[in-house]
Amino acid sequence: GAVVSQHPSRVICKSGTSVKIECRSLDFQATTMFWYRQFPKQSLMLMATSNEGSKATYEQGVEKDKFLINHASLTLSTLTVTSAHPEDSSFYICSAQKYAGQGWTEAFFGQGTRLTVV
Amino acid sequence: GENVEQHPSTLSVQEGDSAVIKCTYSDSASNYFPWYKQELGKRPQLIIDIRSNVGEKKDQRIAVTLNKTAKHFSLHITETQPEDSAVYFCAAQDTGFQKLVFGTGTRLLVSP
Repeated sequence: GAVVSQHPSRVICKSGTSVKIECRSLDFQATTMFWYRQFPKQSLMLMATSNEGSKATYEQGVEKDKFLINHASLTLSTLTVTSAHPEDSSFYICSAQKYAGQGWTEAFFGQGTRLTVV
Repeated sequence: GENVEQHPSTLSVQEGDSAVIKCTYSDSASNYFPWYKQELGKRPQLIIDIRSNVGEKKDQRIAVTLNKTAKHFSLHITETQPEDSAVYFCAAQDTGFQKLVFGTGTRLLVSP
């Protein structure tokens, strides 16, 4: 397997402030990283695709100015929730793609960040 | 883009019974189909996957089958145990951007 570390695991912030979430691949270089959002008892909804050194590709309906993604290296991607509001409260999970040989890749997930905006 | 449907949304079985979860996908170009198990508040854990060049794969009590013609794949769990209780997600991988599109999830409850 491979290890993906996401930090923080929980964060509570005041409405109007910004929160940064880090996603690191600890023992491999990720070809691509993805950010998901998961509401209670629902599936993982892809927010954006992040590639090192280039702008993130956002899914339809995701505000790129609100959810800022920076992919500084092959092992680190960050998601910043700007001017957070209570409706941004959710479980955010990142995943990192690892090359598995023969043209295939596998996805490994971070432990997730539970964001609560009060 | 890819769309993945998953059924059933909830599944209750007795310990020792088998459980089957089914998914369909829309993009015939998708070529990788993983299954994840997610416990409450935890990250999804890959339990088995299958690629488009095979029709079936088995790992102890877990098996996955793929029918590319019909564009559906299924997860089979035999001899279920209470610790199998969790939410299971299927996914299909986009060949171009390699992003995973997830099904809506199945909440499996295994009663002792």
